[in-house]
Parts: sequence; structure tokens; C-alpha cells
Amino acid sequence: GAGVSQSPSNKVTEKGKDVELRCDPISGHTALYWYRQRLGQGLEFLIYFQGNSAPDKSGLPSDRFSAERTGESVSTLTIQRTQQEDSAVYLCASSLGGSGSYEQYFGPGTRLTVT
Amino acid sequence: GENVEQHPSTLSVQEGDSAVIKCTYSDSASNYFPWYKQELGKRPQLIIDIRSNVGEKKDQRIAVTLNKTAKHFSLHITETQPEDSAVYFCAVDAGGTSYGKLTFGQGTILTVHP
Repeated sequence: GAGVSQSPSNKVTEKGKDVELRCDPISGHTALYWYRQRLGQGLEFLIYFQGNSAPDKSGLPSDRFSAERTGESVSTLTIQRTQQEDSAVYLCASSLGGSGSYEQYFGPGTRLTVT
Repeated sequence: GENVEQHPSTLSVQEGDSAVIKCTYSDSASNYFPWYKQELGKRPQLIIDIRSNVGEKKDQRIAVTLNKTAKHFSLHITETQPEDSAVYFCAVDAGGTSYGKLTFGQGTILTVHP
């Protein structure tokens, strides 16, 4: 079946502009995660949605970052007033959710470049 | 929060040799320990995982061992091949009500020379 998809694949924006990144998880996956990966670095957790529970926002680096999820489907990550240090690949992942269903499937990522 | 340390940061081996990557973690409540492989420009992909109720798991040339008492786990790749060259990440779940939330190590760049 279809895997996790993300759009756009690449985004170039000017410093100070807002951007919206989209993630479509695998159908039926109740858990959805956003990560940031700077060049040559590991994956940095940003936010985690699990079903109807309040999202875990503990990884968001500043109040310029926010994310929403519509039910158990699409999610958008919004970065306001972008800065050059926001340049990175933003990865989305989804999993079945529920105890015992931990495997995360990653999307291809959105490469964000802030000029 | 969880602290995950991964070593070495780079590893270079000859084809056919074994490669071992080790991770340590801090939260004794963690129960799930996956390993991901990321090729250049590609998405991370799960290659093997282990739960806290077992000490070792093997899948062909890849194995993972877990020592919960010492809070460390290792990835073992035997008979390495050039296509094993990639960045490998370990991860640890948060445990408790935040099961599924993963903290990743910083990655190991594995290069297998033909």
C-alpha cells in the first residue's frame, strides 16, 4: 500500500516568511511524528500525535513552530518567521500506535532552505 | 528526558568483516530499541528492533543485543558488503504513557570498502 508521503519535497523561502509542510501518514496509523534533521546530524524529535490525545509538543524548538493534525490523517507543520537555522530536512513518520505497535515508517522528507 | 549516546561516529571496515555499533541510554523505563539505516538522500528505514523482554534478536547478517541492566544495546553486522554502507541510527522509546516516542542517537557513518 501507499507509504507516508510529504509535500513539498523541497522548499526554498526567504528569511522571515512562513512555511507549511504537509504529511500524509499511512492509512490506519493513529500515531504521527515530526522530526528535524540538520545536514549530517541525527533526527531531532519535534512533536508527536497519538489518536485523540493531546499532542506531545516537548520537542518544538520555539513558539515559531506549531503543528496540527486533522483526526487521524494529514498533519501540517508550520514554521513562522523562518530563520536560516531552520534550514533542514523535516521528516514525518507514522506508526500503528497503541502498545506493542511501535515501528515508525518515515516519509521522504521536505528539504527546507531559508535564504 | 532520555539521553542516547551512540559510538563510534564513523566506522570503516573491509568487505567481509564484522561491524559493531553501540548505544547507551539513560531511562530505565524504555522498552523498545530500534535500529534505522539511512542511505544518502533517502529516508530512514527500520532494519531490526528489540523489545526489553529479550536479550538478543537476529535477522540474517544483522543482530541486536540488549543489556537492560547496563542500559546499552548493540548492532552487529556480519559479512559486511559495500551496500551496507550508510548511516545507522539507534533509537530508544520514552516508555510509560509516551511509548512510541523515540529519541535517536547521533548516528554512525559505516563505510564498507570492497
